[in-house]
Amino acid sequence: DQQVKQNSPSLSVQEGRISILNCDYTNSMFDYFLWYKKYPAEGPTFLISISSIKDKNEDGRFTVFLNKSAKHLSLHIVPSQPGDSAVYFCAASAGNNNDMRFGAGTRLTVKP
Amino acid sequence: EAGVTQSPTHLIKTRGQQATLRCSPISGHTSVYWYQQALGLGLQFLLWYDEGEERNRGNFPPRFSGRQFPNYSSELNVNALELEDSALYLCASSLFGTASGGYTFGSGTRLTVV
Repeated sequence: DQQVKQNSPSLSVQEGRISILNCDYTNSMFDYFLWYKKYPAEGPTFLISISSIKDKNEDGRFTVFLNKSAKHLSLHIVPSQPGDSAVYFCAASAGNNNDMRFGAGTRLTVKP
Repeated sequence: EAGVTQSPTHLIKTRGQQATLRCSPISGHTSVYWYQQALGLGLQFLLWYDEGEERNRGNFPPRFSGRQFPNYSSELNVNALELEDSALYLCASSLFGTASGGYTFGSGTRLTVV
């Protein structure tokens, strides 16, 4: 059961432009959402998170938006840099951060 | 501070054999999670251990098992290996009950079943 879905397997953007990565979820019990970034041969690293009591969280160039009614979240990267090229995973959990569910990932390529 | 360490980095096994993967969490973290990332798929939740006990299990057959030791390190065992078990196995750790900051992942063990 794919409770967290990232429908775009890949995204390519030009350096300096905005990257928008999307994620949908089906489980209404999810109340905490995270984005992870993964480089080849490395484990995923935590990027940014948002609680269901908020609809936006910003950290530098990264902003996550949550639309609870649509069960949709997105990650915006502005401006995109070549070093942002990686696979981005969306994740969600209910309660205390346990049994986190991940999407299939979106491979972002930022072209110089 | 050392991160989450996994060993071995790569493992090649023959179908039907058993594989043992190891994970050491970040110091102070009591929860250890195991995920499988098969080619082209997301991270599939396998197991969660905390304080030596299995807290939750994903939708995997019983031949996937593990344990957590008193020092919070963990072992994942996969018995009767099948070709489709070939994947990257990721271990992560966290403090129990934390609701922010997510997990810290290791770099994974690449298991290849031939």
